[in-house]
Amino acid sequence: DAGVIQSPRHEVTEMGQEVTLRCKPISGHNSLFWYRQTMMRGLELLIYFNNNVPIDDSGMPEDRFSAKMPNASFSTLKIQPSEPRDSAVYFCASSERRGTEQYFGPGTRLTVT
Amino acid sequence: GNSVTQMEGPVTLSEEAFLTINCTYTATGYPSLFWYVQYPGEGLQLLLKATKADDKGSNKGFEATYRKETTSFHLEKGSVQVSDSAVYFCASEGNTGGFKTIFGAGTRLFVKA
Repeated sequence: DAGVIQSPRHEVTEMGQEVTLRCKPISGHNSLFWYRQTMMRGLELLIYFNNNVPIDDSGMPEDRFSAKMPNASFSTLKIQPSEPRDSAVYFCASSERRGTEQYFGPGTRLTVT
Repeated sequence: GNSVTQMEGPVTLSEEAFLTINCTYTATGYPSLFWYVQYPGEGLQLLLKATKADDKGSNKGFEATYRKETTSFHLEKGSVQVSDSAVYFCASEGNTGGFKTIFGAGTRLFVKA
């Protein structure tokens, strides 16, 4: 398997623009996670899905952030409108089921100017 | 609430030195425990895990023992190499519904030749 795939790897955008990050989990994995990593706040869990259903989105910072998982092989994280403080590395991870190890993608480095 | 606390970094060692990174957890029940490693520019990857008390996880010369009595899962390696320079994350994850993955803040390790 190719592992967790994220796109784009790098994104530079201007404040106010919409940003969409994409993730393809490992085939057969039932849980999917979105994380944000910054120097100041470390690694933060934003939202996770189990069997395509959002289970806990309490980590989503505000209404500008939304995530979807329309099927078992694809998820998106959208920021609209983007702000400079959203600049971070965003990771997607998947696991076979809750409670097992997670496999992380390479991340998307987002810069909002 | 549930939490994971690990020693602050950075930790700087000379090659072949002994490594210990402390990790303690608080949780309801008996979560699975993990150590993940993040190399520069990459996502986190599983280093080792333990799923029940007294289990010892090991990989690449690293090991950690699940200590229920001290609620600890300290990471050790007898002889570090320059290539071990990375950020190490301790994590706990429950195996019951609604239990979130909890990551420690990460400990950066520098190994000098």
